[in-house]
Amino acid sequence: EVQLVESGGGLVKPGGSLRLSCAATGFTFSDYDMNWVRQAPGKGLEWVSSITGTSTYIYYADSVKGRFTISRDNAQNSLYLQMNSLRAEDTAVYYCARAPTRVGPYDNWGQGTLVTVSS
Amino acid sequence: DIQMTQSPSSLSASVGDRVTITCRASQTISRYLCWYQQKPGKAPKLLIYAASSLQTGVPSRFSGSGSGTDFTLTISSLQPEDFATYYCQQSDSTPKTFGGGTKVEIK
Repeated sequence: EVQLVESGGGLVKPGGSLRLSCAATGFTFSDYDMNWVRQAPGKGLEWVSSITGTSTYIYYADSVKGRFTISRDNAQNSLYLQMNSLRAEDTAVYYCARAPTRVGPYDNWGQGTLVTVSS
Repeated sequence: DIQMTQSPSSLSASVGDRVTITCRASQTISRYLCWYQQKPGKAPKLLIYAASSLQTGVPSRFSGSGSGTDFTLTISSLQPEDFATYYCQQSDSTPKTFGGGTKVEIK
């Protein structure tokens, strides 16, 4: 069974940092592109970042470019999102999701982890 | 960036109704269009990919159609468990933008 489990969320002050993790089980992790999607409270879904299976290609939304860094460790079956210079508008539930190809759908999602940026 | 416009933003319907949600892309995306269902407090769930392919395990009352810029999600006979918010997403190019969502509520 495919499972994606996020962790690392919490309360952080503006300007602070946080590192999210996503542990993957039940599939060959390196065969899939991985993605972060966020959802602010009461709002819609926003794509944040993507990384290909061998980390060759990495993409970011303009809203996080230069502040967030996506990475993966295929030996550990884990995906990461390093978030620096956090702002109030980064407050959201962060989901990791897998995609079988660059143009494929997000066919499995984690349960999400809440990040709250507030003083 | 490709903009995805969903309509309506919300609708009220009764059990057994036929429901149609539309999604329009600001430029052509071939058939790289997915539909997701999200219930409160839960992660999104993939329903339809490649515009019209039903994800494994999804009931056949859900169907998708369209290509280019105009797409439709249809629920042929609304069931109590279908009350949720539905999102489209284009996967043609990065950023992989989502529509604003359609909340389906009980009439």
